[in-house]
Amino acid sequence: AAGVIQSPRHLIKEKRETATLKCYPIPRHDTVYWYQQGPGQDPQFLISFYEKMQSDKGSIPDRFSAQQFSDYHSELNMSSLELGDSALYFCASSYYGTGRNEQFFGPGTRLTVL
Amino acid sequence: AQKVTQAQTEISVVEKEDVTLDCVYETRDTTYYLFWYKQPPSGELVFLIRRNSFDEQNEISGRYSWNFQKSTSSFNFTITASQVVDSAVYFCALTPNYGGATNKLIFGTGTLLAVQP
Repeated sequence: AAGVIQSPRHLIKEKRETATLKCYPIPRHDTVYWYQQGPGQDPQFLISFYEKMQSDKGSIPDRFSAQQFSDYHSELNMSSLELGDSALYFCASSYYGTGRNEQFFGPGTRLTVL
Repeated sequence: AQKVTQAQTEISVVEKEDVTLDCVYETRDTTYYLFWYKQPPSGELVFLIRRNSFDEQNEISGRYSWNFQKSTSSFNFTITASQVVDSAVYFCALTPNYGGATNKLIFGTGTLLAVQP
């Protein structure tokens, strides 16, 4: 079965640079979530989209922005990177129609900011 | 406010021992879902179980079992006859189920389980 795809899997950036993370949800899934997991921490919700509209927002810095495109893939744009942005970024997708609240996670993108 | 507490930061057991991971949650919602995820050293989040707040039946899946007690707001996870491959961080998570289009997961801080051979 198709799973959530995230690219790239690993990314190394310098401070103050920009990064773009991509997420391709499971086919027919209409909702995408982004989570950030710092070293030794639990995943923290950043933002979500339903049918290409932002549906919820968590502790996402103003330096970050995200969107969901017409094909339902999503991109997380991160600017002016800081050392503290080094983390594992997960994307998850779900299908609202089932009402089952099942979020399927991608393998994550490991971002290292030097 | 919603909160998930996993008081056990680290647990170390010897292979074949049984181990229980505790999870206590707080929510004012009358309906919600509870989850357990496994995160092995490779980093991915592996879904283990989802439980609706209306379903208090315990569940067993192979060596895994879950005990949901609404009266004490707990959703504990037991691994029977643990194996080295069970070594991972285990997260308990909560999401409301009030029919919204999206429901973010609220994770506990995780329990690191180390199973020694």
